[in-house]
Amino acid sequence: GAVVSQHPSRVICKSGTSVKIECRSLDFQATTMFWYRQFPKKSLMLMATSNEGSKATYEQGVEKDKFLINHASLTLSTLTVTSAHPEDSSFYICSARYSYGYTFGSGTRLTVV
Amino acid sequence: SQQGEEDPQALSIQEGENATMNCSYKTSINNLQWYRQNSGRGLVHLILIRSNEREKHSGRLRVTLDTSKKSSSLLITASRAADTASYFCATDPNTGNQFYFGTGTSLTVIP
Repeated sequence: GAVVSQHPSRVICKSGTSVKIECRSLDFQATTMFWYRQFPKKSLMLMATSNEGSKATYEQGVEKDKFLINHASLTLSTLTVTSAHPEDSSFYICSARYSYGYTFGSGTRLTVV
Repeated sequence: SQQGEEDPQALSIQEGENATMNCSYKTSINNLQWYRQNSGRGLVHLILIRSNEREKHSGRLRVTLDTSKKSSSLLITASRAADTASYFCATDPNTGNQFYFGTGTSLTVIP
């Protein structure tokens, strides 16, 4: 149980376009989801906390207008990278809290060309 | 901000040897978790240790937690080439409901 499905697993987009990443909790309701970003050979960095039905809370230094987070239902949170640039290329992972801990999506590798 | 720091940042050992990674954190926690990440892949949860536990075992993994020193260690015994990966500790602080990852240890096990 407590599975989070993240899509897409890989995406390549052109500079200036927007990319949406989805995270769905399959067998539980996730009132809170977390979005992380990982640079190559670096640790995961918390970007924002996504709460169902309210605005996301962004970590310091994360541009909320660039990384749009929507958590419109108890099972779906989306991260949209707007006007993507090559420096946005990274590995993005979502996470959700459930009764016994946290579970993670499988990650999305974004490459902006 | 990141809460955990791990050392060493990189570790290279021969197959069959033991690998020890350490994690330090800054605030009081509910629990601490260790994760593994193969290159370019998602996280795999390895083990969780609660703040009132001092040691936990799972197969070839042994985790210790010293809340007075705000540190934890992960020991992988009898390492295998397939253990090559990055290992992260993650702390679940008492306040708030998110947790933070350490900087990670890159482990290379040489066959």
